[in-house]
Amino acid sequence: SQKIEQNSEALNIQEGKTATLTCNYTNYSPAYLQWYRQDPGRGPVFLLLIRENEKEKRKERLKVTFDTTLKQSLFHITASQPADSATYLCALVPSAGNNRKLIWGLGTSLAVNP
Amino acid sequence: KAGVTQTPRYLIKTRGQQVTLSCSPISGHRSVSWYQQTPGQGLQFLFEYFSETQRNKGNFPGRFSGRQFSNSRSEMNVSTLELGDSALYLCASSTGTGVNEKLFFGSGTQLSVL
Repeated sequence: SQKIEQNSEALNIQEGKTATLTCNYTNYSPAYLQWYRQDPGRGPVFLLLIRENEKEKRKERLKVTFDTTLKQSLFHITASQPADSATYLCALVPSAGNNRKLIWGLGTSLAVNP
Repeated sequence: KAGVTQTPRYLIKTRGQQVTLSCSPISGHRSVSWYQQTPGQGLQFLFEYFSETQRNKGNFPGRFSGRQFSNSRSEMNVSTLELGDSALYLCASSTGTGVNEKLFFGSGTQLSVL
């Protein structure tokens, strides 16, 4: 069956360290993958998009990698800050068919401790 | 630019009732997508409207319906509410003209069915 999985356990790290979040998928050949941040009681906010032919994308302290062989995307936050504490969601658009509808992971909760 | 506006913010209904949720997209955006978010299932795609036409649909029963007006504002209706419909309902807007677009989400409507 088709699945998209993120670490279900919360990630706790110390301020200043690098946070690494994982998104694994099975039985998809995604055209691209997106990462969003969601704070409690709010809607997700777009962070980064990476296409199937891109290995890595960066934006300020954020970095996303995309390995279509491993069927995995990694999301890194360097020099993490307490303000980075949130739930991070990955979402993909399957390549097949007329698919503009994103398929979402359940998200990983990140807590950055001062 | 004003963001995506969803009303109401909170709703409490009883089983069997119906509910209508409203979403005003970002000015100039013609696509509105609706999602249901629950802790166990994550974000589940309901449907997408573009230029007043439903363009994509998720796997929800016919009790869930929507529409879009000429000004791109959208409404979602749920009839004969069930306890399992309790969730955060999110709408997201985009220009609707690209495959790999980012979505802009509203803060959602928290629906509780008693």
